Amino acid sequence: EAGVAQSPRYKIIEKRQSVAFWCNPISGHATLYWYQQILGQGPKLLIQFQNNGVVDDSQLPKDRFSAERLKGVDSTLKIQPAKLEDSAVYLCASSQSGTYISYNEQFFGPGTRLTVL
Amino acid sequence: AQSVTQLDSHVSVSEGTPVLLRCNYSSSYSPSLFWYVQHPNKGLQLLLKYTSAATLVKGINGFEAEFKKSETSFHLTKPSAHMSDAAEYFCVVSDRPPPGGSYIPTFGRGTSLIVHP
Repeated sequence: EAGVAQSPRYKIIEKRQSVAFWCNPISGHATLYWYQQILGQGPKLLIQFQNNGVVDDSQLPKDRFSAERLKGVDSTLKIQPAKLEDSAVYLCASSQSGTYISYNEQFFGPGTRLTVL
Repeated sequence: AQSVTQLDSHVSVSEGTPVLLRCNYSSSYSPSLFWYVQHPNKGLQLLLKYTSAATLVKGINGFEAEFKKSETSFHLTKPSAHMSDAAEYFCVVSDRPPPGGSYIPTFGRGTSLIVHP
């Protein structure tokens, strides 16, 4: 079974530029998550999709971050414009379970390391 | 509202000695609890999960955790540490949502396990 794919693996940009990350979840997984992991901290959930609908985006800085999962499969996370504090690893994860199942083991991709100069 | 506290940012043990990584949680509903491990330059991997079945949960690589509702704890243990256990460990809580809601995970800040030869 193929795992969660993410690209690019590394990205270096200057502040005020824009950047986009792509994620392809495990086939058949209904739920897709984007996390931001700043060095030395735990992953912070940015947005959670159930199929192509948003379940939670309460911690997504909506003035600069956007995400979509148009066909309920792969997803794109965009930052525009980037700030220095956006330097982090962006993790994508997927889970098989839907909204009403009592557990939701997540499978994580390798992450994209973003450096904003 | 849910939250999770990992009580130690770093834990240092000698190879062959027991490991204890502490996690306390706050939950409004019946929670699901997880431990994930992140080895350097590798993706997050599930160690074990609690989903309201047995309170003592066994995971991979000899790790186990006990759900104690009265103490709101889910500490991770291993009888004998191995050098390969050196990694970052994250405790995760996911509340059972109200009807119509969704499971949304919250990560702790992480505990770095250091294993000395």
